[in-house]
Amino acid sequence: DAGVIQSPRHEVTEMGQEVTLRCKPISGHNSLFWYRQTMMRGLELLIYFNNNVPIDDSGMPEDRFSAKMPNASFSTLKIQPSEPRDSAVYFCASREVLTGNTIYFGEGSWLTVV
Amino acid sequence: KNEVEQSPQNLTAQEGEFITINCSYSVGISALHWLQQHPGGGIVSLFMLSSGKKKHGRLIATINIQEKHSSLHITASHPRDSAVYICAVYSNTGNQFYFGTGTSLTVIP
Repeated sequence: DAGVIQSPRHEVTEMGQEVTLRCKPISGHNSLFWYRQTMMRGLELLIYFNNNVPIDDSGMPEDRFSAKMPNASFSTLKIQPSEPRDSAVYFCASREVLTGNTIYFGEGSWLTVV
Repeated sequence: KNEVEQSPQNLTAQEGEFITINCSYSVGISALHWLQQHPGGGIVSLFMLSSGKKKHGRLIATINIQEKHSSLHITASHPRDSAVYICAVYSNTGNQFYFGTGTSLTVIP
């Protein structure tokens, strides 16, 4: 299996622009997580889905952030408009709830907003 | 106040040493995760625990639910174990994840 696939790996964008991060979970996994990592705040869970349904979005920092999972094989995290403080590494992870305890992480999307 | 506290924050060890990283938490949990983040940034989930002890190779994770404490042990440490180890708990109220700030481990040959 190719693992959790995230794109883009790196993005530099100007303040005010829309940013869309993409994630393809491992096939067969039914839980998907979006995390953000910064030096100041460490690793934070933003939102997670079970069976494509958002379960907990309490970690989403504000209305500029939105996440969707239109089907079992694809999710997006969108920031509109982006701000410099959104600069971070965004990780996507997936898990098969019924038989697996392990969460598999993507390699992360490194976002810089200037 | 952090819901999850890790110690030590930084740790340097000689190759072969036995290493312990501690995690204490203040919320009721349904599960505790130990994560490993490599210098390149990639994150790997090492263990998920809800009770007792798990072992995988040279890694051992234990949890004491009553004391709200978990430890990650590395036996016969190796330079390739150098990474940041993060403790994360999933609370059983409020459905939230809480993360420790991580322990940066460097194993010297």
